[in-house]
Amino acid sequence: AQTVTQSQPEMSVQEAETVTLSCTYDTSENNYYLFWYKQPPSRQMILVIRQEAYKQQNATENRFSVNFQKAAKSFSLKISDSQLGDTAMYFCAFIAYNNNDMRFGAGTRLTVKP
Amino acid sequence: NAGVTQTPKFRVLKTGQSMTLLCAQDMNHEYMYWYRQDPGMGLRLIHYSVGEGTTAKGEVPDGYNVSRLKKQNFLLGLESAAPSQTSVYFCASKWGNQPQHFGDGTRLSIL
Repeated sequence: AQTVTQSQPEMSVQEAETVTLSCTYDTSENNYYLFWYKQPPSRQMILVIRQEAYKQQNATENRFSVNFQKAAKSFSLKISDSQLGDTAMYFCAFIAYNNNDMRFGAGTRLTVKP
Repeated sequence: NAGVTQTPKFRVLKTGQSMTLLCAQDMNHEYMYWYRQDPGMGLRLIHYSVGEGTTAKGEVPDGYNVSRLKKQNFLLGLESAAPSQTSVYFCASKWGNQPQHFGDGTRLSIL
């Protein structure tokens, strides 16, 4: 079974600075998707970014980018120019192609300090 | 466009009571999912459906039943609630290999 590990339960960053959240996963699959979801105190699950495993190019969405290392099974999220609104829980998630069992990490609680 | 709507948003039950959580989506998505989220853990899949009239077990199905009688609705039932089922429940839906869209969650407390 696939597992997703987020080794940083909590992190903090000063406003306007850059922070990187770590995620590793374990799978025998070759084709899969990886995601980062943001969960603010409102409890919504908001998709931040998605990476398809067959794409070598790292995904970017405005201030959010990933460092996808397929051989190392690593998928980190970099948040540039951190804003107070980035304060939230961040979950890394994995799902194999044509599969319905998405696996989540335990989450990293990020606090952006003014 | 409402997206994914969960009803109710909050509920308190006594041990042994039954209840049904409703998930409705207006995006014509084929796939629908029920997850639970417990403190210190990510979401875990309870059951899912790949289309009207079909359901399948996820990672943690015990103690729950589901039904998908209409494409837009996915119901999660607890026949005899237990304190271990105290959790936040999320419904999600998707089309094809697109990302899942999540509802706002239901906080369920069982005393």
